Amino acid sequence: NAGVTQTPKFRVLKTGQSMTLLCAQDMNHEYMYWYRQDPGMGLRLIHYSVGEGTTAKGEVPDGYNVSRLKKQNFLLGLESAAPSQTSVYFCASSYARGLQETQYFGPGTRLLVL
Amino acid sequence: DAKTTQPPSMDCAEGRAANLPCNHSTISGNEYVYWYRQIHSQGPQYIIHGLKNNETNEMASLIITEDRKSSTLILPHATLRDTAVYYCIVRVAKTSYDKVIFGPGTSLSVIP
Repeated sequence: NAGVTQTPKFRVLKTGQSMTLLCAQDMNHEYMYWYRQDPGMGLRLIHYSVGEGTTAKGEVPDGYNVSRLKKQNFLLGLESAAPSQTSVYFCASSYARGLQETQYFGPGTRLLVL
Repeated sequence: DAKTTQPPSMDCAEGRAANLPCNHSTISGNEYVYWYRQIHSQGPQYIIHGLKNNETNEMASLIITEDRKSSTLILPHATLRDTAVYYCIVRVAKTSYDKVIFGPGTSLSVIP
């Protein structure tokens, strides 16, 4: 049981390039989330998904797109990377959206945009 | 969601109990207290949560005051591997989406 995994672990992009971050979970969780973490800012929700084929915007969705074609995978895309998107990206998943929901986080992807 | 306040940093001797306080004076009746921790360069890790009763699991104990305005996370026998940033969060499921709002947290250093 690997839990939540993220690919890649680290990436350097030039401004304007595109890339996709992959998140996979093997816990059969319905809910999946993408966060970014910046120094002094805590975690901020980018997009989330409540089930296969559905996605929704979080706090800071601009410049990102997501897809949830399979229940176990949640993809985060950057269409045209900007230096402001330099951050650590965390994926998380949870079984349900109840009051006692617990989110399980992946190890993070460190992205540097030059 | 209610806000929380935590001390920015704490030290604890290895093998001793680490007691991490959290104030959440504006917590409402349907909000739970959650604790997560983040070891350097890793993703946040769930530790424990509770509503109003004290809770214990294999990692820690959570003591919530009777008025629910504060809580304490207890690591009974701290090890060097417990050095991390600990986040206290209060949250309730929203109708639109759920999010976990992480504040600055408490940086715990376990000292040999």
